[in-house]
Amino acid sequence: EDKVVQSPLSLVVHEGDTVTLNCSYEVTNFRSLLWYKQEKKAPTFLFMLTSSGIEKKSGRLSSILDKKELFSILNITATQTGDSAVYLCAVDSNYQLIWGAGTKLIIKP
Amino acid sequence: DVKVTQSSRYLVKRTGEKVFLECVQDMDHENMFWYRQDPGLGLRLIYFSYDVKMKEKGDIPEGYSVSREKKERFSLILESASTNQTSMYLCASSLSQGGEKLFFGSGTQLSVL
Repeated sequence: EDKVVQSPLSLVVHEGDTVTLNCSYEVTNFRSLLWYKQEKKAPTFLFMLTSSGIEKKSGRLSSILDKKELFSILNITATQTGDSAVYLCAVDSNYQLIWGAGTKLIIKP
Repeated sequence: DVKVTQSSRYLVKRTGEKVFLECVQDMDHENMFWYRQDPGLGLRLIYFSYDVKMKEKGDIPEGYSVSREKKERFSLILESASTNQTSMYLCASSLSQGGEKLFFGSGTQLSVL
């Protein structure tokens, strides 16, 4: 059975800290891995990763995929209170998205 | 920017009622999806549609049906609401099938009493 596991489930850090969120997967036919940020209600797209070892970067956020070890990490440097959200990881397997349960990140001022 | 609009942010219904959740997207996307989101379980796919009048069951279709009469509108129907359908419902659309970038609506928090 395809599965995606995110860790930790929740995380509380102080503003300015760096955080690393993890997403591991076991799927039958990997096509891509996606990261979303969910504040309040609607998830918004962050990154799509298809190739191992190539870092995607957007401002203070970056992500990388390891297709050999079957995981991805999402890094956020110099965190701000606006980074508080649930971060969702999803894997496209056979054109179907398998979602992790999410990591709830709380940034304390 | 793509806009996906869900008709209600919060909804309270009684057990046994018929419930309609509406979703409209404005970017001419072929593909539309309905998910439910429960704490600790992630997003679970209820139904999806790759074309008008076309629908496919997702992972948890039991107790739900859908309607797609027009390309921009995808409705989720709970024929007879039950308390275990209390959840956050998210609609999404995308340009292409599968794992390409999804655009989500703001969600409907449904409570069935």
